[in-house]
Amino acid sequence: DAEITQSPRHKITETGRQVTLACHQTWNHNNMFWYRQDLGHGLRLIHYSYGVHDTNKGEVSDGYSVSRSNTEDLPLTLESAASSQTSVYFCASSPDRGLNEQYFGPGTRLTVT
Amino acid sequence: AQTVTQSQPEMSVQEAETVTLSCTYDTSESDYYLFWYKQPPSRQMILVIRQEAYKQQNATENRFSVNFQKAAKSFSLKISDSQLGDAAMYFCAYRRGINNNDMRFGAGTRLTVKP
Repeated sequence: DAEITQSPRHKITETGRQVTLACHQTWNHNNMFWYRQDLGHGLRLIHYSYGVHDTNKGEVSDGYSVSRSNTEDLPLTLESAASSQTSVYFCASSPDRGLNEQYFGPGTRLTVT
Repeated sequence: AQTVTQSQPEMSVQEAETVTLSCTYDTSESDYYLFWYKQPPSRQMILVIRQEAYKQQNATENRFSVNFQKAAKSFSLKISDSQLGDAAMYFCAYRRGINNNDMRFGAGTRLTVKP
């Protein structure tokens, strides 16, 4: 069955380190998204992509970057991790820009100490 | 900017009873889509129901239905015959237009189901 996976599921890192969270989907969806989830804020969009080599900033993009070199993967990089980036990160994908829902991965819990 | 407000951080319902979760949103758009997602303790986000703004008829999915009031910008979720498995965080979400995938989420409502 097609799916969307994230790795690692849990990560502890130190302030200032570079961290990359992986997201891989096997649905061949054009659209992929990264969100962070924090108490009291729901999910907030970090970056998104509508296809290979396309990336766009979301609501809370500062301190994060993404690149899209193929359809299946959209890795999220924290260039210099900060304690404020401790959060649960969700990747999602959707097939096109229509009314289709977004399909979410299982999430990655990141702790920055 | 579009915002989504869920005014009930926590709700509780007795098993087999009905509960309604509230959601309001702010937009100047006429074409948009609304969603309710469920997040159980596993953290997996699961779509419960969706509504297109141009449709006057309220969406229904088995025990889940919505009360969509476009003029009031309100989109509440009604869960009938509540089951223990309905216990979860519920998020209301808004997406502007058919060619836009930027979704905005509310802060969530934690639903507890009492046996």
